[in-house]
Amino acid sequence: NAGVTQTPKFRILKIGQSMTLQCTQDMNHNYMYWYRQDPGMGLKLIYYSVGAGITDKGEVPNGYNVSRSTTEDFPLRLELAAPSQTSVYFCASSYGARGSPLHFGNGTRLTVT
Amino acid sequence: AQTVTQSQPEMSVQEAETVTLSCTYDTSESDYYLFWYKQPPSRQMILVIRQEAYKQQNATENRFSVNFQKAAKSFSLKISDSQLGDAAMYFCAYSWETSGSRLTFGEGTQLTVNP
Repeated sequence: NAGVTQTPKFRILKIGQSMTLQCTQDMNHNYMYWYRQDPGMGLKLIYYSVGAGITDKGEVPNGYNVSRSTTEDFPLRLELAAPSQTSVYFCASSYGARGSPLHFGNGTRLTVT
Repeated sequence: AQTVTQSQPEMSVQEAETVTLSCTYDTSESDYYLFWYKQPPSRQMILVIRQEAYKQQNATENRFSVNFQKAAKSFSLKISDSQLGDAAMYFCAYSWETSGSRLTFGEGTQLTVNP
């Protein structure tokens, strides 16, 4: 099993550009999440999904959008990139049962200049 | 709001020695879960240990164990017989019964292991 796969691994964007970070999981997990990690900081939740067609905002959703058309995929869209969005982005999934641990992808390092 | 605090930005330990990383949390929930994740320089997030709040017994995983003090809202991680491969950023995290396994993370403790 590949687990949680994120693409790309690295990306540089210019201010105002848009892009989509891809995330797919092959564990048939219902719950998926997007976190961002700023340098020297913990992870903060951007958006999450409890199943196909259902998404909700996390702690820091501004400037991002998500969709969940299938169980496997949970892309994160950045519109009008800003320097404040320079960060490492992690996608994760979980079985969703009480206290089930998260399985993380390897992250995407995004720089906006 | 639930918050997680790691008061030690950096810690160091000699190889083969024992080190304890601190974590406190704030919650009004009665049923919740606590985790320690390890992030080595590869950036990968690796689950170290998990504790269920309703269980009195402290969780252990090989050289890793926790000291869970529910009344004090404290959840420290003890690493015994430290190895060079333990060097990483360690994050304490919390999820509650109705959170859908959403995690709230602390800001991390950078652990250095000296040979």
